[in-house]
Amino acid sequence: AQKVTQAQTEISVVEKEDVTLDCVYETRDTTYYLFWYKQPPSGELVFLIRRNSFDEQNEISGRYSWNFQKSTSSFNFTITASQVVDSAVYFCALSEARLTGGGNKLTFGTGTQLKVEL
Amino acid sequence: DAGVIQSPRHEVTEMGQEVTLRCKPISGHDYLFWYRQTMMRGLELLIYFNNNVPIDDSGMPEDRFSAKMPNASFSTLKIQPSEPRDSAVYFCASSLGTSGYNEQFFGPGTRLTVL
Repeated sequence: AQKVTQAQTEISVVEKEDVTLDCVYETRDTTYYLFWYKQPPSGELVFLIRRNSFDEQNEISGRYSWNFQKSTSSFNFTITASQVVDSAVYFCALSEARLTGGGNKLTFGTGTQLKVEL
Repeated sequence: DAGVIQSPRHEVTEMGQEVTLRCKPISGHDYLFWYRQTMMRGLELLIYFNNNVPIDDSGMPEDRFSAKMPNASFSTLKIQPSEPRDSAVYFCASSLGTSGYNEQFFGPGTRLTVL
């Protein structure tokens, strides 16, 4: 069975600090996909990033960066120079890879509440 | 382009009443998902459809819950009879493709309160 663990339930930082959100996953699949979603106070879920299990290259996009390490089954997410607007719940998710049917059935972690204060 | 549309946005009902939640996926998407979010259980996948056909309903909590997708642009999630423990935010999401790589686009959710 697939499992996603986000051990940090809540993180509080002061604006302009860097913050890293941790995600550890479990799967028996050799091919899989990892996602980060953001849920701001308004409630909708917004897709941020995805990685496939064959691509361990880390990426930076503006203030966001991702660190994917298969050896430790981790897919961590970092916000540099955090802003108040980054305050939200962040979810890590894992999906199976199916070429025929099955679709992208997502397993979500429990989320990390990020609070960025002035 | 319009995103995933859900209605109603808020629903308050009394225990025992029938509740119907509605979803319009993004045009052209062939997968539709229903999720439930609660403080206790987080985000749970209830059921998903591919090309209007239910593929996996193992997450549906009990027989009181049912979901249909009569056509590519409309789906319903029905609870009959509703109970207070059904109170949650229900999300509909849609995606394109079968490989698992494509992200799911979520609707704004329906906040259900059962008194």
